[in-house]
Amino acid sequence: NAGVTQTPKFQVLKTGQSMTLQCAQDMNHNSMYWYRQDPGMGLRLIYYSASEGTTDKGEVPNGYNVSRLNKREFSLRLESAAPSQTSVYFCASSEIRGGPGELFFGEGSRLTVL
Amino acid sequence: AQSVTQLGSHVSVSEGALVLLRCNYSSSVPPYLFWYVQYPNQGLQLLLKYTSAATLVKGINDFEAEFKKSETSFHLTKPSAHMSDAAEYFCAVRTNRGAGGTSYGKLTFGQGTILTVHP
Repeated sequence: NAGVTQTPKFQVLKTGQSMTLQCAQDMNHNSMYWYRQDPGMGLRLIYYSASEGTTDKGEVPNGYNVSRLNKREFSLRLESAAPSQTSVYFCASSEIRGGPGELFFGEGSRLTVL
Repeated sequence: AQSVTQLGSHVSVSEGALVLLRCNYSSSVPPYLFWYVQYPNQGLQLLLKYTSAATLVKGINDFEAEFKKSETSFHLTKPSAHMSDAAEYFCAVRTNRGAGGTSYGKLTFGQGTILTVHP
């Protein structure tokens, strides 16, 4: 039972480098999300995709871009990494139509920007 | 707008003692409410959820939470703490219910409460 799979699990970047975090879910969910988690700040939504073909900004979208490649996959791109983007990133998916829409999370991607 | 406040960023209990983690929400419409747990170096997993079917909700590992509309609260409890309960706990709310009873929108999370259990 894979659920939500994120890659890579760990990454170290230098300031100004770019990278893409990949996320895939096998639960046939319509909605997918990217959060970042920082100590004392809980989880903050970066971007989300309510359904295939749509994406919307969350609370902290600056410095990030996303692509909903298909129903299964939702990637997060850092075009020019900054030390402030050092964080743990979580991808999640849910099915919100007709129900409470609880999120199912991946195991996280730890990113360090030097 | 919806919001969640978790009272106490750190809670410490002895093994076998009652666990009480507090959560208050703000919502202009009936909410869906959730508690998640995060063990070290792992993702978040769902403990329990409130969907308006019953005000007292039971979850995994003997956790339960009671929805109190008058107090806008959804506190998490466990009668007897175990060492394995040590983790960070997040309360979350979803509202933005659309027409026809369907819901849409995003989960808003509280800041988290770190639970420490002493032997």
